[in-house]
Amino acid sequence: EIVLTQSPGTLSLSPGERATLSCRASQSVSSSYLAWYQQKPGQAPRLFIYAASSRAAGIPDRFSGSGSGTDFTLTISRLEPEDFAVYYCQRYGSSLNTFGQGTKLEIK
Amino acid sequence: EVQLVQSGAEVKKPGESLKISCQGFGYSFTSYWIGWVRQMPGKGLEWMGIIYPGDSDTRYSPSFQGQVTISADKSITTAYLQWSSLKASDTAMYYCARLDGGPFDPWGQGTLVTVSS
Repeated sequence: EIVLTQSPGTLSLSPGERATLSCRASQSVSSSYLAWYQQKPGQAPRLFIYAASSRAAGIPDRFSGSGSGTDFTLTISRLEPEDFAVYYCQRYGSSLNTFGQGTKLEIK
Repeated sequence: EVQLVQSGAEVKKPGESLKISCQGFGYSFTSYWIGWVRQMPGKGLEWMGIIYPGDSDTRYSPSFQGQVTISADKSITTAYLQWSSLKASDTAMYYCARLDGGPFDPWGQGTLVTVSS
């Protein structure tokens, strides 16, 4: 079973700064099957990135995904106040739908 | 608009049974997998299982196999997650989501299940 490890656990930054979130897999993952979700308190998760680098509908272009093999990254180029939330990576694909433990992005 | 609407919050006692629902709107319900995800209080997301309503093909995460049952009634575009005997450790928010070619999108609003004596 593939394990996804996200780092850091918590990231403290200020609006306007650049955020880099990491997701490392215990085995190689096809980039076609790696997603990122945002979850705000009291809300359901929302798909942000799929296939490692494709933005979901309505997601601003300050969000970008990259990576391959076992190392994937979500980058937010310039943080807006509404971006502070928890982000999860996910390996998806029929019977395999593992989530990472999440990175909390908080205002510094 | 594609939408998943989940049933309301539940408060149950240990040992009781429960079935929660997730109704799909705005798309061909039988053509997409539906997944269930658990989120325990203050914790992360855990994938529980998926079902294809078209033929009821069901796959479970090893962590949840035998602990829950996932089903669907395509005549009313509804998927279900059920327990035969709840435990206090089943207290969590449960989300359903459509698998849109793989990633989970969109998600239901969540159903809070509280199990307490």
